[in-house]
Amino acid sequence: GAVVSQHPSWVICKSGTSVKIECRSLDFQATTMFWYRQFPKQSLMLMATSNEGSKATYEQGVEKDKFLINHASLTLSTLTVTSAHPEDSSFYICSAHSTSGASYNEQFFGPGTRLTVL
Amino acid sequence: QKEVEQDPGPLSVPEGAIVSLNCTYSNSAFQYFMWYRQYSRKGPELLMYTYSSGNKEDGRFTAQVDKSSKYISLFIRDSQPSDSATYLCAMSPAGNNRKLIWGLGTSLAVNP
Repeated sequence: GAVVSQHPSWVICKSGTSVKIECRSLDFQATTMFWYRQFPKQSLMLMATSNEGSKATYEQGVEKDKFLINHASLTLSTLTVTSAHPEDSSFYICSAHSTSGASYNEQFFGPGTRLTVL
Repeated sequence: QKEVEQDPGPLSVPEGAIVSLNCTYSNSAFQYFMWYRQYSRKGPELLMYTYSSGNKEDGRFTAQVDKSSKYISLFIRDSQPSDSATYLCAMSPAGNNRKLIWGLGTSLAVNP
């Protein structure tokens, strides 16, 4: 149990285009999901907290108009990188917070999405 | 000073060795302590999860939390080459804020 999927796992796009990344909790409901980015050999950097049915909370320095987050259901959150540029190339990882049973307060991570902007 | 400090390594040990990984923290409000394992180009995988102080054991892995010293440890017994990965500590306070504060991660290589 507690599986989180991400799609796509790998995407290459041209500069100026937008890319949507999906994060799904497959066997549990997640009122809260988190979006991270990770550069090579560095730790995870929290970008935003996504709450089902409400606006996302962005960390300081993260442009909310560039990184659009939608959490329309208890099992799906999406991150859209708008007008992507080469500096947006990174590994994007989502996590879902489980609020039920033995998994209370645990975060489960997706496999990540590698974005390369040419 | 960062809220969570973790030596990034790299740490290289022979197969079968006992590995000790550590993090220190400054925020006394932290109550939840996690260790994640991350293989290259993969998402982190939860290894151990501890609430407040004490020890927790799961197979070859033991997590320890010493809140008085603000120090947490992960021990790996009989280390295997498959344990080669980056190990990240993460923690959060009690309450509704579930945002995790992360260490940098320690890169571990177990050599056969």
